[in-house]
Amino acid sequence: QSVLSQPPSASGTPGQRVTISCSGGSSNIGSNTVNWYQQLPGTAPKLLIYTNNQRPSGVPDRFSGSKSGTSASLAISGLQSEDEADYYCAAWDDSLNGYVFGTGTKVTVL
Amino acid sequence: QVQLQESGPGLVKASETLSLTCTVSGYSITSGFFWGWIRQPPGKGLEWIGSIYHSGSTFYNPSLKSRVTISLDTSMNQFSLTLTSVTAADTAVYYCARDDFTFGVVVVSQFDYWGQGTLVTVSS
Repeated sequence: QSVLSQPPSASGTPGQRVTISCSGGSSNIGSNTVNWYQQLPGTAPKLLIYTNNQRPSGVPDRFSGSKSGTSASLAISGLQSEDEADYYCAAWDDSLNGYVFGTGTKVTVL
Repeated sequence: QVQLQESGPGLVKASETLSLTCTVSGYSITSGFFWGWIRQPPGKGLEWIGSIYHSGSTFYNPSLKSRVTISLDTSMNQFSLTLTSVTAADTAVYYCARDDFTFGVVVVSQFDYWGQGTLVTVSS
């Protein structure tokens, strides 16, 4: 059972904005940086957002991350069909002394 | 371009030991960074197994710590995972990845390069 909670699913039509939440605690999101990973069907996860709100080279600016207190969010604006994937938040947890992933959110483009 | 590739048996018998190797190309593992293993049971989420620094220092998932060993082979530019006493619950796709880890007042850690993953099935 993960210490980072995400809604199991989210959806939107092309062009819409979708937001995914990630709820944690003081020992993980509250203390350390948050990352987001995108996992397209049948592929390895890909780093989408690091250090709360930074995009690696090549990631479209449609993807944005934010953090406030013990929660974080990933926003996808201008939703596209190729954004249909599973999204995971993650952070280091000081209490567990380990890296924890969120429960994952499946994004569907209607 | 950093590339990682997992290799090892796709089938392991219950109670035996799972061993996987990750071969890194495009970057020397002795130059820095941590190197980690993550797994994903079929249809489920991601679970961090552990990470190793180029010096040999390790961090392990507390829930797996008693059964896991991660080691380096610097001559081959590889790192390896050993998981003992496996059960069906260890059936998963196993990924290796580079861990950009900085330990401080704020811990910064992100897996920026990933292998394609390898499915390991534990049979009874």
